[in-house]
Order: sequence, then structure tokens, then C-alpha cells
Amino acid sequence: EAGVAQSPRYKIIEKRQSVAFWCNPISGHATLYWYQQILGQGPKLLIQFQNNGVVDDSQLPKDRFSAERLKGVDSTLKIQPAKLEDSAVYLCASSLTGTGRGDTQYFGPGTRLTVL
Amino acid sequence: RKEVEQDPGPFNVPEGATVAFNCTYSNSASQSFFWYRQDCRKEPKLLMSVYSSGNEDGRFTAQLNRASQYISLLIRDSKLSDSATYLCVVVLNAGKSTFGDGTTLTVKP
Repeated sequence: EAGVAQSPRYKIIEKRQSVAFWCNPISGHATLYWYQQILGQGPKLLIQFQNNGVVDDSQLPKDRFSAERLKGVDSTLKIQPAKLEDSAVYLCASSLTGTGRGDTQYFGPGTRLTVL
Repeated sequence: RKEVEQDPGPFNVPEGATVAFNCTYSNSASQSFFWYRQDCRKEPKLLMSVYSSGNEDGRFTAQLNRASQYISLLIRDSKLSDSATYLCVVVLNAGKSTFGDGTTLTVKP
């Protein structure tokens, strides 16, 4: 079974530039998550989709970050404009139902973003 | 106060040792609990779910104490391959997940 795919794997940009990340979840998984992981910290949930609807985006900095999941399958996360503190690994995960109990999240390899 | 707190470690133990990690959570409405493992520069992977009655998977034992709002992970007979960061995950009823910052374990020969 194919896992969660993410691209690009690495990205280096200058501050105030924009960047976009792409995620393709495991086929049939209803829930898709975007996390930000800063070095030395655990993943922080940015946004959670159930099919193509948003379940939680309370920690998404909406003045600069946006995400969409058209057709309830793959998703893009965009940062515009980027700040130095956005340097992190952006992880995408998917789960079958997203209801929590016993619902394993499968992570992609992540996109390592460096903002100079 | 963070919603999920873990002792960052690092825990440095010899092969064959028994080591335990604790994780505390602040939201009493939390419904589901997990331990994930993350190797250096890799993505997190599920180690085990944590059930109210406690559960065991080989050398790993997970416990949940709802009254005190903490979960634990016990690793017996540590192997070199157990060296990793262990992340505690707490999920609310609506499915929102909160990760701890992880506990780093290094098992030495």
C-alpha cells in the first residue's frame, strides 16, 4: 500500500517569499492533517480536514498560512509571506476516519523548509 | 502550561535496561491516547495505542491513569534499535490531536 506522499522534500526561500507544499494521503483516508514541527519540539497541528471540510484550524496563522483540500483527496498548504520563524518541517498525515479512538495517523516524509 | 507535557530527557541507558516515560495532559475531555516513535530526521510512526486497562506489545507496556491525567510507556530489555524520540499523543473527542515535545532515548552498548 502506498504511503502518504509529500513534495517537495526540501525548500529554501528568503523571507517574505511565498511557498506551497503538496500532500497526497493514503487512498481512502477521510482525514488529512498538516503539522508544523520545529526542531526539538513535537508536531503542532495546523489544520485538520475531514474529507474536504475543515475540522480544526485553530492553530493556523491565517494571516499568512492557507490550506485547501479540493475534492477531499490531496491538499496544499501555502505560506505567504514567509517569516524566519516558519523554518520547520511540515508534516502531512492521514487517517482512515479521524474520529480519534484507535485511528492511526500515517505520516508522510515531510517538507523541510528553511527561510533565510 | 502545555496541554501535553513530557520529560525531554535525554534518557541514556545501557542495553537490557528497563526505562519508563511519563506524559501528563491537561484536558480532562481527552479520549484517546497514543505513543508514537520518531527516529532522527524521520516522520513519526505509531508505536502503540494506550487503553484504559493498560496494554502490552512485546517489550512495551502502556498505562493510562485518567484520574491523575497521565500516561506511561515502559520499555523492558532495551535494544540499541530502541534509540529514538518517543512522542505522547492525546486526542480529544472531536479528533483534534496534540503531541508532546517528545522524550529522547539513547540505548548504549
